[in-house]
Amino acid sequence: NAGVTQTPKFRVLKTGQSMTLLCAQDMNHEYMYWYRQDPGMGLRLIHYSVGEGTTAKGEVPDGYNVSRLKKQNFLLGLESAAPSQTSVYFCASSLQGADYETQYFGPGTRLLVL
Amino acid sequence: ILNVEQSPQSLHVQEGDSTNFTCSFPSSNFYALHWYRWETAKSPEALFVMTLNGDEKKKGRISATLNTKEGYSYLYIKGSQPEDSATYLCALCGGSSASKIIFGSGTRLSIRP
Repeated sequence: NAGVTQTPKFRVLKTGQSMTLLCAQDMNHEYMYWYRQDPGMGLRLIHYSVGEGTTAKGEVPDGYNVSRLKKQNFLLGLESAAPSQTSVYFCASSLQGADYETQYFGPGTRLLVL
Repeated sequence: ILNVEQSPQSLHVQEGDSTNFTCSFPSSNFYALHWYRWETAKSPEALFVMTLNGDEKKKGRISATLNTKEGYSYLYIKGSQPEDSATYLCALCGGSSASKIIFGSGTRLSIRP
């Protein structure tokens, strides 16, 4: 099993450009999450999904959109990138909700917005 | 607002010594507490999920305790080894909704050989 994978690993964008980050998991997990990690701060939840076709907002959803068309994939979109979105983005998945289940994290995507 | 505090922010420990650090959270909002270990240039790896007051979990030289009434969890490492160097994150799950997952900013542990 590959676990949780993320594409791309690193990307540089100009302000106003758009891009999509892909997260894929092969563990048949129901829940998937997108986090961002900034220096001196913990991981902050952007959006999450409790199953195929569902999405919900987390703590810091503004400026991002997500889609979960297939159970194994969770896409994070930036429609118009801003320098404040420079961060490391982590995807995670869990079999059920994090109230009982461990989350499995991907390797991260480093995004720089100029 | 859920707020998860970890202390200390960083810690330097001599190889072979034991150490511990703290995760504090509001006791009124609690479903589960997670501990993760995060090595540089890797992704966070799960250590424990704790749900019951008084819970104690162990994995090798690492153990954790939970006090939901007073709102804290301790992580202990016995006989620190260089491979224990990492950032240790705790995360509070404050409700059945995944939107209530709040991570602390971590304790960065460095082991001196």
